[in-house]
Amino acid sequence: GAVVSQHPSWVICKSGTSVKIECRSLDFQATTMFWYRQFPKQSLMLMATSNEGSKATYEQGVEKDKFLINHASLTLSTLTVTSAHPEDSSFYICSAEKYGVLSEYEQYFGPGTRLTVT
Amino acid sequence: QKEVEQDPGPLSVPEGAIVSLNCTYSNSAFQYFMWYRQYSRKGPELLMYTYSSGNKEDGRFTAQVDKSSKYISLFIRDSQPSDSATYLCAMSSSGGSYIPTFGRGTSLIVHP
Repeated sequence: GAVVSQHPSWVICKSGTSVKIECRSLDFQATTMFWYRQFPKQSLMLMATSNEGSKATYEQGVEKDKFLINHASLTLSTLTVTSAHPEDSSFYICSAEKYGVLSEYEQYFGPGTRLTVT
Repeated sequence: QKEVEQDPGPLSVPEGAIVSLNCTYSNSAFQYFMWYRQYSRKGPELLMYTYSSGNKEDGRFTAQVDKSSKYISLFIRDSQPSDSATYLCAMSSSGGSYIPTFGRGTSLIVHP
């Protein structure tokens, strides 16, 4: 199997506070995990690539000081939204890489975290 | 022009119909093609994964890739209400660790 979990599934926070989202690969080890953001009826937008034991690589336009990523182990990556504002409200999805049958890496997605900032 | 184009729909079909979902792309370097299914407020689920051109079948699902036309398709036979979801195509060019480029997804509604 290739199961990825996220916690929490839904969080509401007040403007100015910080929120941490966890992404775990439950039955495999993932050297690389990815964080995406998805607005309603829009595609997935890659925010950053998280590598175990090293600094994350952020996509252009994504503020690394606002979206802190930590990949402390082969099964856990965390995304912390610091000083959240209403415009940060979105659906955040992580994925984890697993070596697949086509000798390529496949991405398996978590169930997503819906963040609402009031 | 976006690298991957996908009609957002919605596409509404009766139960039992054959569904055709499509994506076009512009990057000729793409070699790996994926289809994901995403239910409302859930993460995407990998459905089909193909390499280069050709067909791949898995149960009621068939994925087709035509690299000469830069066009990929997903066919769903005997569609069921439980197939109602958003279907995203994705594709990538690199071997090894890759980051795919996603289409915006097509919303499919199968009504009883």
